[in-house]
This record gives sequence, structure tokens and C-alpha cells, in this order.
Amino acid sequence: DTGVSQDPRHKITKRGQNVTFRCDPISEHNRLYWYRQTLGQGPEFLTYFQNEAQLEKSRLLSDRFSAERPKGSFSTLEIQRTEQGDSAMYLCASSFLAGGPGEQFFGPGTRLTVL
Amino acid sequence: RKEVEQDPGPFNVPEGATVAFNCTYSNSASQSFFWYRQDCRKEPKLLMSVYSSGNEDGRFTAQLNRASQYISLLIRDSKLSDSATYLCVVTPSASGATNKLIFGTGTLLAVQP
Repeated sequence: DTGVSQDPRHKITKRGQNVTFRCDPISEHNRLYWYRQTLGQGPEFLTYFQNEAQLEKSRLLSDRFSAERPKGSFSTLEIQRTEQGDSAMYLCASSFLAGGPGEQFFGPGTRLTVL
Repeated sequence: RKEVEQDPGPFNVPEGATVAFNCTYSNSASQSFFWYRQDCRKEPKLLMSVYSSGNEDGRFTAQLNRASQYISLLIRDSKLSDSATYLCVVTPSASGATNKLIFGTGTLLAVQP
């Protein structure tokens, strides 16, 4: 399977715990995005990487959230001291720099439940 | 006010019906426009881009009216397999090279046999 993969697919945690999600983009894609989606809403942009550089962060990304893409390949999204409001689907997407602006390919997402 | 607004539906239509979805966006400088489809508990997938000249892909027709900041999607001869959430998407001009996607809430379509 050469699509975007995310791990884990589901995560249940207690309030106050730290969690980390991983995204493996399509191999030749140099752009990587994180989005968050809650029930009944469309995905909301969180952050963007071009290769290893994090070029944009949404105001939604509080200081409890940190994302990395150390070698310009896979990316991790960490949430510290989770809160119940962090419960959502976390989606990763990738695209190729020279591709069209709308051609983002999404992974299956990590569903986070904070108890 | 949300940057992209859609009627959340649900739209319940019989097979074979024609259904139209509308969307408005608030940023007049928005650059690019799309419809994405999201099946239940699945990731969004690009359905089609939207151009001012209008574009058609089989049973699907998309239209953009920049003056009214309005985007539409028409589905003809609805199939059961068209049942999904249709997300209206724009890319804001201020994002530079980011090309982040700004999504509406989505419109749920349920095609009935």
C-alpha cells in the first residue's frame, strides 16, 4: 500500500496523559499537513511541513501540541497533558510541491478519545 | 462567521434524483476551490476541482461564482454509492505556498433505494 499511513488508528487515554501519533506520507511527497476533525465538522488545519521545516502553525495548535518531521519523511504529533476537548480524529495529509494546490492525500486518521 | 459555510443536510434523495449542494466562502481573495468526498469513518478524498468556467466529470458538475463567493456541486442520476459527506474546500491566498485546505462542515447526502 503506497498511501498515507497513520499509527495508531485508535488511542484511548486518560486526561493529563501524553500521546504521540505518527504519520508516514506518500514517499515522494515533500509537503505534509496535520488536520483535526471533530464530529459533524470538517477537518481543521493544524500545521504544515515542507520537507523537515515546519512552515505554518494554526492558532489551534496550543503549546501542548508539538509536531516534528525530523528527516523530511515521517512526522509525529505529540499532545501533552491531554484534555477531554482534544478528543477528535487527527488526520495527516501529504502532497507534492509541484502538484495542484488541492491534491492532498489523506491518511485514515488517528481517533483520540480522552477520558 | 465560518470561512466556508455549507448546509449540513442531511439531503435524503431517491436513486436517480438530481441533487445540488451550495457553499459560500468569506475570503474574497481565496485562490483555489474544491469538493472533497468523505465516506462514513473514512478520510476525505478529492472529488473535483472547481473553476469559474465550470467543470464536469461524468454525473458531477461543479461551478464557481467569484463575484458572489459561491460554489456549487450538482449530482445527476444519484446512485446509492454517492451517499457520503461532501466537503466544500478553499485555499486562502494569504497562506503563501502552504496551500492549507479550509473545509466547510460538509453536507451529508443519503441516497435511498
